Amino acid sequence: GDSVTQTEGLVTLTKGLPVMLNCTYQTTYSPFLFWYVQHLNEAPKLLLKSSTDNKRTEHQGFYATLHKSSSSFHLQKSSVQLSDSALYFCALSAYTNTGKLTFGDGTVLTVKP
Amino acid sequence: NSKVIQTPRYLVKGQGQKAKMRCIPEKGHPVVFWYQQNKNNEFKFLINFQNQEVLQQIDMTEKRFSAECPSNSPCSLEIQSSEAGDSALYLCASSPRDTLYFGSGTRLTVL
Repeated sequence: GDSVTQTEGLVTLTKGLPVMLNCTYQTTYSPFLFWYVQHLNEAPKLLLKSSTDNKRTEHQGFYATLHKSSSSFHLQKSSVQLSDSALYFCALSAYTNTGKLTFGDGTVLTVKP
Repeated sequence: NSKVIQTPRYLVKGQGQKAKMRCIPEKGHPVVFWYQQNKNNEFKFLINFQNQEVLQQIDMTEKRFSAECPSNSPCSLEIQSSEAGDSALYLCASSPRDTLYFGSGTRLTVL
């Protein structure tokens, strides 16, 4: 079946530093990848999405590129802010799955002053 | 802000009691999903609907869980006989086609 792997459970950084959160996936179908961010006691919010190979997608300073050759969709930001502290989920939708998402285990990003 | 409305925000039940939560999907979104997010932040798909019809559901949903999405009424998820292991955040999401938009969830605590 489909699966998503996020290797970091917890990332702690100082404000202003760059960050990369890893996401790899497995599916036999055409993949559609998503990053969601969930702040404490809030709904998961869509951050980025892509189904296009080797095309960078950006939103709110975050960016990611879907690489089908390596089955990866890593999330990056060049300079993290205190407000970026949250739980980040990578998720996969395979086109034959009616939009159902398979989630990674999530990465907690904590940004310190 | 999320346009998917979930109520109640918090729900406390005793073991064996029924627990019911509701979801109003975003207008124009034909597909509705229910996910369970446990204390370890892991997501478990429960069921999804398209225009009131069930598309997919897991075995757990078929036993103690029931859900419906009637036309012109909120969608609902009900646990017939709550168990301690059901304590979790229940997230409803709606989708226009290929992207899910989540509500803030109902946090169920089963004592």
